[in-house]
Amino acid sequence: GAGVSQSPRYKVAKRGQDVALRCDPISGHVSLFWYQQALGQGPEFLTYFQNEAQLDKSGLPSDRFFAERPEGSVSTLKIQRTQQEDSAVYLCASSSVRGGGYTFGSGTRLTVV
Amino acid sequence: KQEVTQIPAALSVPEGENLVLNCSFTDSAIYNLQWFRQDPGKGLTSLLLIQSSQREQTSGRLNASLDKSSGRSTLYIAASQPGDSATYLCAVITQGGSEKLVFGKGMKLTVNP
Repeated sequence: GAGVSQSPRYKVAKRGQDVALRCDPISGHVSLFWYQQALGQGPEFLTYFQNEAQLDKSGLPSDRFFAERPEGSVSTLKIQRTQQEDSAVYLCASSSVRGGGYTFGSGTRLTVV
Repeated sequence: KQEVTQIPAALSVPEGENLVLNCSFTDSAIYNLQWFRQDPGKGLTSLLLIQSSQREQTSGRLNASLDKSSGRSTLYIAASQPGDSATYLCAVITQGGSEKLVFGKGMKLTVNP
């Protein structure tokens, strides 16, 4: 596609509910990244994939967070048993080459109530 | 651990001023540095990418410089316009491992007409 597409755009979840956030990267982009951005802060790294391989998941805050990219294209970030501190904007980015320019999606704003 | 700092956190200026935005990073062994723009409720737009071997990059009214040895980058905006109002974020990729971007907290710029 022309850009990185994320869905849903907004998600309100009750505390304890499971959520799944989708990222559709630019076609052919090998690398895919997930970031979490709290209000007034810069994005914080969560995890990244090269094709279907998850090469770094050091930023995932707990074992409630899980990401996958089974066919090396679309990725899903799943958060189990959501808590209020999970409220943030979740950004996805893709890149065609190592260290190349990153293209970000518009993000999913998650609010846990 | 790489840390990126942007000071000040916010800046308000009249239209037409030439601006200097500062970014510093603690580990000088970087792969590259990127400047992004973020409009409210939106994702990140890449402005300039500087590879570690480069000293500066220019795009229109924007010029970014990199001094790797001192751990600093500067984004220069010439003849600022109200449309430049946004949050500007600096991010680096550190050498030797993950491709993840490490971001500063950003600087919120307001250009008044």
